[in-house]
Amino acid sequence: ETGVTQTPRHLVMGMTNKKSLKCEQHLGHNAMYWYKQSAKKPLELMFVYNFKEQTENNSVPSRFSPECPNSSHLFLHLHTLQPEDSALYLCASSQVLRGEGGTNEQFFGPGTRLTVL
Amino acid sequence: RKEVEQDPGPFNVPEGATVAFNCTYSNSASQSFFWYRQDCRKEPKLLMSVYSSGNEDGRFTAQLNRASQYISLLIRDSKLSDSATYLCVVRQGTGNQFYFGTGTSLTVIP
Repeated sequence: ETGVTQTPRHLVMGMTNKKSLKCEQHLGHNAMYWYKQSAKKPLELMFVYNFKEQTENNSVPSRFSPECPNSSHLFLHLHTLQPEDSALYLCASSQVLRGEGGTNEQFFGPGTRLTVL
Repeated sequence: RKEVEQDPGPFNVPEGATVAFNCTYSNSASQSFFWYRQDCRKEPKLLMSVYSSGNEDGRFTAQLNRASQYISLLIRDSKLSDSATYLCVVRQGTGNQFYFGTGTSLTVIP
């Protein structure tokens, strides 16, 4: 399935490195999301973009910096991360419904498994 | 209080058994409800949406009780391939904030 793709699939980085995660959706959706999934914890919403505009930032540390150049692409720029940032980072997309403002279900990419040494 | 609460399990059931998962949510303004399935080291995938009148998809039945803020998933005639973690997901209001439970782990045993 190639609805939502993410690269890289695995990433190991040191605390002083700078790296970026990339997400691309091929579903024609207008909303994209970044989630963090750690062991034994629920998915944590990090950022939401509606029509390329950031609408949610759930108190995410500034060492995570999102970028949404268009409605199909989403990046997560990483710098000076901590070992506790090691997790699975999932990108998702959905179609926001006009008028009602709600949205249909989300479709997820395969995730990037990040390890910070 | 967590937005969405689920019994983490694990549930270990024999093939052919019927198993039920429950989920509660805290915000009465929640609008949309879903069950997702997540296999080990994979991304979550939509299993089914949950409608107010309840809905069925093959061996899977979902129920919503708005008064009690409670969602359930029933799996009949369990298959080995049903082994996964089942995530209860709730969308609040008119925004697109989704809240996930921690998931309920199911293992179907031959």
